[in-house]
Amino acid sequence: DAKTTQPPSMDCAEGRAANLPCNHSTISGNEYVYWYRQIHSQGPQYIIHGLKNNETNEMASLIITEDRKSSTLILPHATLRDTAVYYCIASSGSARQLTFGSGTQLTVLP
Amino acid sequence: GAGVSQSPSNKVTEKGKDVELRCDPISGHTALYWYRQSLGQGLEFLIYFQGNSAPDKSGLPSDRFSAERTGGSVSTLTIQRTQQEDSAVYLCASSLEGSRNQPQHFGDGTRLSIL
Repeated sequence: DAKTTQPPSMDCAEGRAANLPCNHSTISGNEYVYWYRQIHSQGPQYIIHGLKNNETNEMASLIITEDRKSSTLILPHATLRDTAVYYCIASSGSARQLTFGSGTQLTVLP
Repeated sequence: GAGVSQSPSNKVTEKGKDVELRCDPISGHTALYWYRQSLGQGLEFLIYFQGNSAPDKSGLPSDRFSAERTGGSVSTLTIQRTQQEDSAVYLCASSLEGSRNQPQHFGDGTRLSIL
């Protein structure tokens, strides 16, 4: 899996958009970008994934740069329940298992 | 719909005892993964099952660890002669198939404590 780099922590005001960046400058052409989050004492929760195009689902939007070297996860209206550690993962075709890095601790403030 | 279910949610046992952890994947998911997460650490891959293929056991830390998946559905992770360093949260995930384009969905894990 390509190495990903994320800021260790971010704050966001409740109701505002949370924009979480991820750098994956060595990503290969067939690697997908996945985002998961983990709330304390729960298992990781899948959020969204993409290859080249921007993606949107009921939870979030994923913006991938044209050169695919970085991406941004957007939570459009953050709530207190979105406080969690967010992980960005580049998933290769050869490794079945996911490799989680340190992630970004997002704290949504009231 | 129902997600990945793991049981028990918590297990406390004495050093040297055997433990069995159970995972019920999402119905129809052919790929199943076991990971463990030690306190403050990232996820450590243990084993991967895909359909009827031989499992990928490359992540199992020792021969005290084994896993099986019966009927292509439920999986059991067994740890024999438990040691204190086995204390961790054991997570199970499943996906529709074992490919890059199918997200893994995780259960909430079994928190194992070895006294």
